[in-house]
Amino acid sequence: SQQGEEDPQALSIQEGENATMNCSYKTSINNLQWYRQNSGRGLVHLILIRSNEREKHSGRLRVTLDTSKKSSSLLITASRAADTASYFCATDGGAQKLVFGQGTRLTINP
Amino acid sequence: EAQVTQNPRYLITVTGKKLTVTCSQNMNHEYMSWYRQDPGLGLRQIYYSMNVEVTDKGDVPEGYKVSRKEKRNFPLILESPSPNQTSLYFCASSGTANYGYTFGSGTRLTVV
Repeated sequence: SQQGEEDPQALSIQEGENATMNCSYKTSINNLQWYRQNSGRGLVHLILIRSNEREKHSGRLRVTLDTSKKSSSLLITASRAADTASYFCATDGGAQKLVFGQGTRLTINP
Repeated sequence: EAQVTQNPRYLITVTGKKLTVTCSQNMNHEYMSWYRQDPGLGLRQIYYSMNVEVTDKGDVPEGYKVSRKEKRNFPLILESPSPNQTSLYFCASSGTANYGYTFGSGTRLTVV
């Protein structure tokens, strides 16, 4: 069952601009996580936000969570070419059963 | 270095020939999980384990088996592979609840 749905499916911006990706989910969660995947490689954990948190920062990343709307957003500020990747949200409804969305493919143009 | 190691990275096999994809983590993590990734379908959980000898089905367990005899290892077994199991497989582990997963580099399996 697909829980999270990312929007947009693809995003292309210029280096230095900010990138925003959104994730919507359907059921209650313990936490929501964001991952990055470079072209067919393993996923890298970026940030986790608990259900009782509304906003979290990590370096150039900012994540928000609105449990009333069942949605989250990931903002990458001052994008770099190395940020080019696919980004996935994953919801944890308990028992470590992560459910991933389809992902947003982000391209940073030099 | 803390990591999840999967082997092999690439595998081409024939229908019906039993195979095992190994997964090992060196972080003493309790939680381990297997996913498959397919174009247009995203990542789907196959099986997960909350501790030694504790495993449970994910969303797409049919055709797969797992075991968790030791904390560090979580092999994925395909008893009789079929072409629809051609996919990119990932193993992942996590230490506690409310903590992110560490993923392996993936195993690209082709069943002909």
